[in-house]
Amino acid sequence: DSGVTQTPKHLITATGQRVTLRCSPRSGDLSVYWYQQSLDQGLQFLIHYYNGEERAKGNILERFSAQQFPDLHSELNLSSLELGDSALYFCASSERLVPSGQFFGPGTRLTVL
Amino acid sequence: GNSVTQMEGPVTLSEEAFLTINCTYTATGYPSLFWYVQYPGEGLQLLLKATKADDKGSNKGFEATYRKETTSFHLEKGSVQVSDSAVYFCALSQNTGGFKTIFGAGTRLFVKA
Repeated sequence: DSGVTQTPKHLITATGQRVTLRCSPRSGDLSVYWYQQSLDQGLQFLIHYYNGEERAKGNILERFSAQQFPDLHSELNLSSLELGDSALYFCASSERLVPSGQFFGPGTRLTVL
Repeated sequence: GNSVTQMEGPVTLSEEAFLTINCTYTATGYPSLFWYVQYPGEGLQLLLKATKADDKGSNKGFEATYRKETTSFHLEKGSVQVSDSAVYFCALSQNTGGFKTIFGAGTRLFVKA
C-alpha cells in the first residue's frame, strides 16, 4: 500500500459526459501528479501540482482540467468524453517539489462507451 | 524534447537467470533517472533511482548505473525469481519549475519456474 488513494476504482460512462477523479496523496506529501495509461500511448504525464499551485503541464487535453485543494487532495476533471479517453488514470505524490521518487495510487479505470 | 527508450518486450527468462533491460534517454541538462515496476492490476512502485552521473541505484537485488557518456540507465539483476514477473518502466524527471516525468514504453518480464 503506497498511501495514495484514488476514487473511484472503476468508472463507466458515455461519450459527451463529464467525470471527476479524486486523489488523496500520502500524508505530508505536497506534490501531486496525474498520469494517463493506455495501451497505445503508454504512460503519459498530464500535470503536476505542488502545494495547490500548478507547476508543470504535459500532454493534457483542453477538455481536461485539474486542481489541488488546500487539504492537498486533487481532482482531475474530464469533460466532453470521447471513446479514446478510456484508460487508466493514475495519481502519484511526492514529499517535495523535487521528487526523489513518486508514490503511485492504484488508479481509476475509466471506460467511455 | 526529452525521451526515454526501452528495449521491447516481452522478455522471458528462466528462474535464476541474469536479467538486463536496456534503457537510454535523451535530455538536456542533468535529469534524475528512475526504474518503476508495475505488477498486474496495481499502480507503479519505485524500484530504484539515481540523481547524478555515475550514481548506482539498487534495491531488492536490482541495480542500475547512471551513465551520462552513453545516456543509459540499464536495469540488471543477477538471479531473477518468478515473483519478479511484472512490467518495468524506465523514467526521467527534470526540474522545469515543476517536474515533468517521461516514462519509457515499459518492458514486460516473464520468469518461468
